[in-house]
Amino acid sequence: EVQLVASGGGLVQPGKSLRLSCAASGFTFSSYAMNWVRQAPGKGLEWVSYISSSSSTIYYADSVKGRFTISRDNAKRSLYLQMNSLRDEDTAVYYCARDRQSSGYNDYWGQGTLVTVSS
Amino acid sequence: DIQMTQSPSTLSASVGDTVTITCRASQSISSWLAWYQQKPGKAPYLLIYKASGLESGVPSRFSGSGSGTEFTLTISSLQPDDFATYYCQQYNSYSYTFGQGTKLEIK
Repeated sequence: EVQLVASGGGLVQPGKSLRLSCAASGFTFSSYAMNWVRQAPGKGLEWVSYISSSSSTIYYADSVKGRFTISRDNAKRSLYLQMNSLRDEDTAVYYCARDRQSSGYNDYWGQGTLVTVSS
Repeated sequence: DIQMTQSPSTLSASVGDTVTITCRASQSISSWLAWYQQKPGKAPYLLIYKASGLESGVPSRFSGSGSGTEFTLTISSLQPDDFATYYCQQYNSYSYTFGQGTKLEIK
């Protein structure tokens, strides 16, 4: 069974940093690209970042470019999102998701981890 | 970035009805469109990929169509479990933008 378990969320002050993790199991993690998608409270879905299976290709949404860094450790079957210079508008549930064919759409999603940016 | 616009934002229907949700792209995305269902407090769930491909395990009452800039998600014979929010997503080019969502409510 495919499982994605996101962790690392919490309350953080504006300007501070936070690192999210996503632990994968039930599939060959190293063969799949991955995405982070977020959802602000009561709002819609916003794609945040993409990383290819080998980490050779990485994309970011303009809203996080230069502040967030996506990475992965295939040996540990883990995906990460380093979030720096956090802003109030980064408050959201952050989902990690498996990319079906390294194309941008997601066939499995984690349960999400809530990041709250507030002073 | 490609903008995705869904309509309507809210849709009221009854069990047994057939409903259609529309998603329009600001430029052609060929057939690179997915549809997701999301229930409150839960992660999204993939329904349709490549505009009309039914994800494994998804009931056949869900269907997708369209290409270029206009797409539809049709749900036939609505079931109680179908009342949720639906999102389209383009993956023609990054950023992989989502529509703003359509909330399907019980009439």
